[in-house]
Amino acid sequence: DIQMTQSPSSLSASVGDRVTITCRASQNIYSYLNWYQQIPGKAPKLLISAASVLQSGVPSRFSGRGSGTDFTLTISSLQPEDFASYHCQQTYTNPLNTFGQGTKLEIK
Amino acid sequence: QSQLQESGPGLVKPSETLSLTCTVSGGSMNTSSYYWAWIRQPPGKGLEWIGSISYTGTTYYSPSLKSRVTMNVDTSKNLFSLRLRSVTAADTAVYYCARVGASLFWGVCDSWGQGTLVTVSS
Repeated sequence: DIQMTQSPSSLSASVGDRVTITCRASQNIYSYLNWYQQIPGKAPKLLISAASVLQSGVPSRFSGRGSGTDFTLTISSLQPEDFASYHCQQTYTNPLNTFGQGTKLEIK
Repeated sequence: QSQLQESGPGLVKPSETLSLTCTVSGGSMNTSSYYWAWIRQPPGKGLEWIGSISYTGTTYYSPSLKSRVTMNVDTSKNLFSLRLRSVTAADTAVYYCARVGASLFWGVCDSWGQGTLVTVSS
């Protein structure tokens, strides 16, 4: 099965900072990569599909890039509501998909 | 957009079987446009894909859990279920059910249940 390695596992940043989270696949997954945001106590919410397609209603400060094995999620200017956990998900092997281990974004 | 709701015991004893049901409302499960999945999250950890099922009952289980997992679907009642046998404390987690794209939005989990915490303890 395909392993997804996400880094960092946690990150401290300030409002207004630019942050980047990385996700690496153990094999080529083309652009079959989604990003989710999870507020504590809530189910994940889809932010980006197919590596770079921003979902309707998601602020433009979020962006996704990459293909093959290396992917990034960037938040250009952190807002207070962005402090949450972020998860990447590969769907190359849909419907048996895998997630990265998650990144917890905390306020510095 | 479908709404999903998990139900089942919140406490299971070690070595017993965890059983959960996910009831889907706001749309029929009887479609090839989606799969239906179980995903879990141990406290403070990441998301783990348990398995998926189609409306026809075809199942896809995570290799790490395959020997202990059974999923079923009942499209007449618009629900699907999870059974996980021989549980240990390592199976303590929030369990989510989710709708997964099978065509246009390939693999996207676009609807989730609220999640239910299942604790394995004697």
